[in-house]
Amino acid sequence: QKEVEQNSGPLSVPEGAIASLNCTYSDRGSQSFFWYRQYSGKSPELIMSIYSNGDKEDGRFTAQLNKASQYVSLLIRDSQPSDSATYLCAVNGNTGNQFYFGTGTSLTVIP
Amino acid sequence: EAQVTQNPRYLITVTGKKLTVTCSQNMNHEYMSWYRQDPGLGLRQIYYSMNVEVTDKGDVPEGYKVSRKEKRNFPLILESPSPNQTSLYFCASSLKGPGGLGPIGEQYFGPGTRLTVT
Repeated sequence: QKEVEQNSGPLSVPEGAIASLNCTYSDRGSQSFFWYRQYSGKSPELIMSIYSNGDKEDGRFTAQLNKASQYVSLLIRDSQPSDSATYLCAVNGNTGNQFYFGTGTSLTVIP
Repeated sequence: EAQVTQNPRYLITVTGKKLTVTCSQNMNHEYMSWYRQDPGLGLRQIYYSMNVEVTDKGDVPEGYKVSRKEKRNFPLILESPSPNQTSLYFCASSLKGPGGLGPIGEQYFGPGTRLTVT
């Protein structure tokens, strides 16, 4: 079983819609959860971090964490074509020192 | 400007020829890490370092070496590269390790090094 799993997509949404990206993780000891955005040919860029159960909002982005279900999600409201990218979910390992990334979900926002 | 730099950005080499990819950060971060990214496999951690002279294996350390003699530098060494090490490599750093809650565990990535081993 992979440490972090994401649907690879591709996920397509029309401009202005809500994009919903999901991630599950296997290590119940994980405490830190991150969402990165990666444009083609570029390096990952941190967009959200979340550490406690519930929602965390930052502009058009909302991260949701449910530790009991081992589930992290990212909502992008009012999606823009510039949001078209691959979104990577990352989780720290039980020892706290390792990072595990999902394989990413490709998002396309259609104008 | 706060940044993580990597050199070279592109490298084509032959099997068995030792190479080093440099990584440097100017943010006084304690934690540094190397990843490789392959299609369908995502980002996989090769090695990480919690601080100077403290390094540990990630998920895919075979065929790689690292050292951390200075806080700002974390070179990745391939002593005898093989074609299965053809990949896109990223260096990243954060103030502390990922287990630290809050921004201290947030990683910042370098621009990447595309390595081809023939």
